[in-house]
Amino acid sequence: GAGVSQSPSNKVTEKGKDVELRCDPISGHTALYWYRQSLGQGLEFLIYFQGNSAPDKSGLPSDRFSAERTGGSVSTLTIQRTQQEDSAVYLCASRVEAVDTQYFGPGTRLTVL
Amino acid sequence: AQSVTQLDSQVPVFEEAPVELRCNYSSSVSVYLFWYVQYPNQGLQLLLKYLSGSTLVESINGFEAEFNKSQTSFHLRKPSVHISDTAEYFCAVTSSNDYKLSFGAGTTVTVRA
Repeated sequence: GAGVSQSPSNKVTEKGKDVELRCDPISGHTALYWYRQSLGQGLEFLIYFQGNSAPDKSGLPSDRFSAERTGGSVSTLTIQRTQQEDSAVYLCASRVEAVDTQYFGPGTRLTVL
Repeated sequence: AQSVTQLDSQVPVFEEAPVELRCNYSSSVSVYLFWYVQYPNQGLQLLLKYLSGSTLVESINGFEAEFNKSQTSFHLRKPSVHISDTAEYFCAVTSSNDYKLSFGAGTTVTVRA
């Protein structure tokens, strides 16, 4: 079956612009995660959605970052007023409830000029 | 909170030679441990995991890792590597049922003929 998909695969933007990154999880996966992979910080947890519960936003680095998950499926990560330090690969992962394994998407490479 | 230390950032190795990638974690509670692999230009894939039970876990492609609670380690080994094992390897830990992962900085393995 289809895996986790993310779009766009690459995004180049100018400093100060807003960007939206999309994640389509595996069908039936109730848990969804966003991580960031950057040269300086490695792989970092950003936010976690589980079913209809309030998301765990404890990893978001600033209030310029937000995410939503509509209908328990697709998720969008939004970065407002992008800064050069936001340049990274943003990874999405999903998981079936009560099962431990996360399946990762290919990522979106964000470059802020 | 927990953290992961991967002691080696780069590991060059000849084909058919053994390799060991070191991973140490810190946590005040029980943990689940994972090794993920990222092949060039691909997404993260689960290699193997330790949740409970036998402390020695194996993957389908010949890797194994041993959970050592007293040394807080989860080192990854393969007795004979192939060119196709060239990749970046990440150790990850979680101590909660939401499976938010904390990753190590990664170890790049380069296998040479």
